[in-house]
Amino acid sequence: GESVGLHLPTLSVQEGDNSIINCAYSNSASDYFIWYKQESGKGPQFIIDIRSNMDKRQGQRVTVLLNKTVKHLSLQIAATQPGDSAVYFCAENNPGGFKTIFGAGTRLFVKA
Amino acid sequence: DGGITQSPKYLFRKEGQNVTLSCEQNLNHDAMYWYRQDPGQGLRLIYYSQIVNDFQKGDIAEGYSVSREKKESFPLTVTSAQKNPTAFYLCASYPSTGAAGRNEKLFFGSGTQLSVL
Repeated sequence: GESVGLHLPTLSVQEGDNSIINCAYSNSASDYFIWYKQESGKGPQFIIDIRSNMDKRQGQRVTVLLNKTVKHLSLQIAATQPGDSAVYFCAENNPGGFKTIFGAGTRLFVKA
Repeated sequence: DGGITQSPKYLFRKEGQNVTLSCEQNLNHDAMYWYRQDPGQGLRLIYYSQIVNDFQKGDIAEGYSVSREKKESFPLTVTSAQKNPTAFYLCASYPSTGAAGRNEKLFFGSGTQLSVL
C-alpha cells in the first residue's frame, strides 16, 4: 500500500544550528501534507502543513518544502533549541477519504 | 478547554482479558480515529469513524473493536484475540467529513500506554 517514509531515523544537531528533516511519500495523488511533533509520552502535535499547490510554507522558525517532482517533503527548523527535541512525523492525507498516513518518524536530538 | 481526553494514561491487561480505552472529545469534530504506536515505528490505523453509529476498519483492526454511539465518544476495546497488545494507543479527531474538510489536520489525545502483565 501507499506509505510515507523518512530518510533518517535519528538526527543530532547543535543548539542554535538549523535542522532539516526529510520525508519521501509515494502517493502522487496526495494533496495535503502535515508535519507533527511528538514529545515523549505525549500525542503528536501539529507543526505546519502544506497543500500540493504550494512548494514552500513558512511558520515561526519552521519551513516546509514540497517537491512534487520527486515526491519529497522536508521540515526545516531554524535556530534549533533544546525544546525542539522530539520525534517528528510527516504525514499525508488520503485524497479519497479521511485517512492520514504517517511515516516512521525522525528523532531529533539537540545538543546544548 | 476544548480537546481530546484519553483515559487511563496507563493500563495493564492480563492474559485473556478484554480492556477498554476511553476517548472523549469536546471539539464537535465529526471523525475520530484510533492509532497504535510501537517503539521505533509510525502510527498505524486501527479503526476510524466518520459519523455516529458508523465505523470502518483500518490497517490493523484484528483483535480490536470500537463503538460510536455518541459524537463525543469513541472507545476502543482490546480483546483477548489481540496477542501482542503492548503499545501506545492514540486517539485523534478530525473536524469535518464534508468535502470542505478534506485538508485538515488531526487533533490527538495524550495517549494510553497498554502493557501486558
